[in-house]
Amino acid sequence: AQKVTQAQTEISVVEKEDVTLDCVYETRDTTYYLFWYKQPPSGELVFLIRRNSFDEQNEISGRYSWNFQKSTSSFNFTITASQVVDSAVYFCALSENTNAGKSTFGDGTTLTVKP
Amino acid sequence: DTGVSQNPRHKITKRGQNVTFRCDPISEHNRLYWYRQTLGQGPEFLTYFQNEAQLEKSRLLSDRFSAERPKGSFSTLEIQRTEQGDSAMYLCASSLALAGVADTQYFGPGTRLTVL
Repeated sequence: AQKVTQAQTEISVVEKEDVTLDCVYETRDTTYYLFWYKQPPSGELVFLIRRNSFDEQNEISGRYSWNFQKSTSSFNFTITASQVVDSAVYFCALSENTNAGKSTFGDGTTLTVKP
Repeated sequence: DTGVSQNPRHKITKRGQNVTFRCDPISEHNRLYWYRQTLGQGPEFLTYFQNEAQLEKSRLLSDRFSAERPKGSFSTLEIQRTEQGDSAMYLCASSLALAGVADTQYFGPGTRLTVL
């Protein structure tokens, strides 16, 4: 069975600080996909990134970066120079290739960036 | 290209009443998903369709819940005889699925159900 754990329930930082959101997953599949979504106060889940299990290259997009390590089953998300607009709930999700229809989500990390 | 839309955005009902929600996916997407999200939790999978076929249903989906996607376009989720425990945000997502590949799901704004 697939499982996603986001151990950090809430994180609070001051603007311009860097922050890392942790995600640990469990799966028996060798082919799987990992995702990060942002859920701002408005409630709509916004897709941020998708990685497959064969691509362990780290990715950077502006102030966002992702560190995928299969050895530790982790897919961590770092925001550099955080801004107030980054305040949201962030979800990590996993889809197994043999169960391609559904995603399993973690319980989310609430990030608050204070001015 | 418009995103996923859901109606209504909010629904308040009394216990025992039936409710129906609608989801309009991104037009070229062939898969449509329903999730339920309660406060402090991540979305939980309920069911999904590929075109008009319902391919998987979660054990969370009791027999009071039914979902349809009659023409492979919009979908409806009906809850019969609502209970207070049904109060949640109901999320719809759609994706363009290629064979055997876990696709990226794009979510709508959700329908928040409150059962009194």
